[in-house]
Amino acid sequence: EVQLVESGGGLVQPGGSLRLSCAASGFTFSSYWMSWVRQAPGKGLEWVANIKQDGSEKYYVDSVKGRFTISRDNAKNSLYLQMNSLRAEDTAVYYCARGDILTGYLRGFDYWGQGTLVTVSS
Amino acid sequence: DIQMTQSPSSLSASVGDRVTITCRASQSITTYLNWYQQKPGKAPKLLIYAASSLQSGVSSRFSGSGSGTDFTLTIASLQPEDFATYYCQQSYRSPGTFGPGTKVDVK
Repeated sequence: EVQLVESGGGLVQPGGSLRLSCAASGFTFSSYWMSWVRQAPGKGLEWVANIKQDGSEKYYVDSVKGRFTISRDNAKNSLYLQMNSLRAEDTAVYYCARGDILTGYLRGFDYWGQGTLVTVSS
Repeated sequence: DIQMTQSPSSLSASVGDRVTITCRASQSITTYLNWYQQKPGKAPKLLIYAASSLQSGVSSRFSGSGSGTDFTLTIASLQPEDFATYYCQQSYRSPGTFGPGTKVDVK
């Protein structure tokens, strides 16, 4: 059974940092593109970043470029999102999602974690 | 970025109704359009990918159609478990933008 389990969310002050983790199981993690998608409270979905199987390609939504870094450790079947210089508008549930084998998410995200809440507030 | 719109933003329906939701892209995305269902407090669930392909394990009462800029999600006969919010997403060009969602609730 495919499972994605996020952790690392919490309350952080504006300007602070947080590192999210996503533990994957039930599939060959190293074969898939992976993404982070977020959802602000009561709002819609926003794709944040994705990473190629070997980590050689990474892409970000403009609003987080230069502040967030996506990474992965295939030996540990884990995906990460390092978030720096956090802003109030980054407050959201952050989901880890599985993309495609060949491309980022051409066929959509077929598996999602349960999400972890990040709250940026003083 | 490619902008996605959905209509209606919400609708009320009864069990057994046929429901249609529309999604429009700001430019042609060929058939790189995905549909998700999300229930409160839960992660989204992929229903349809590539505009009309049914994701494995998803009920055949869900169907998708369209190409270019205009797409539809149809629920043939609404079931109690289908009351949820539905999002479209384009995967033609990064960032893979989502529509604002359509909430389907009980009439």
